[in-house]
Amino acid sequence: DTGVSQDPRHKITKRGQNVTFRCDPISEHNRLYWYRQTLGQGPEFLTYFQNEAQLEKSRLLSDRFSAERPKGSFSTLEIQRTEQGDSAMYLCASSLSPGELFFGEGSRLTVL
Amino acid sequence: QKEVEQNSGPLSVPEGAIASLNCTYSDRGSQSFFWYRQYSGKSPELIMFIYSNGDKEDGRFTAQLNKASQYVSLLIRDSQPSDSATYLCAVNLNDYKLSFGAGTTVTVRA
Repeated sequence: DTGVSQDPRHKITKRGQNVTFRCDPISEHNRLYWYRQTLGQGPEFLTYFQNEAQLEKSRLLSDRFSAERPKGSFSTLEIQRTEQGDSAMYLCASSLSPGELFFGEGSRLTVL
Repeated sequence: QKEVEQNSGPLSVPEGAIASLNCTYSDRGSQSFFWYRQYSGKSPELIMFIYSNGDKEDGRFTAQLNKASQYVSLLIRDSQPSDSATYLCAVNLNDYKLSFGAGTTVTVRA
């Protein structure tokens, strides 16, 4: 399968714990995005990588969120000290062209 | 003011009819516009993009753009039950940030 893959697909954690999500983009795509989506809302931009460089991070993100893309391949999104408000679907997408995003199936986070 | 606004719906149309979805955006400098379809429980998938004023047709889908009015629309002709989904309008605010509306839910009645 040559699509965007995300792991884990589901994560249930207790408030205060740290969680990490992984995204493997389409191999030839140099652009990688993280979005967050809650029920009834559209995806909300979190951060953007071009190759290994993180070029933009949403001001909505607190310091508890960090993302990396070492070597410009896979990416990780870590949330420290999770809160109930972090419960959402975390979507990774990759692309060659701006706006033409290919999304993975998402990682659903539930914080108890 | 939200960057991208859509009517949330639901929009219910009979099979074979035309579904018309509307979207407005706030940043007059936006240059590219996208429509994504999201089935329930699935991720968004790109169905159309438009960069220039006017109409762009792709099969049963037509995207319309009016930059002066800051308005984008999507028409779905000969609607099928398989078109039942949430349609997300998205606007490129710059080279890397795509801003999405909340989506319009479409239900096609057989």
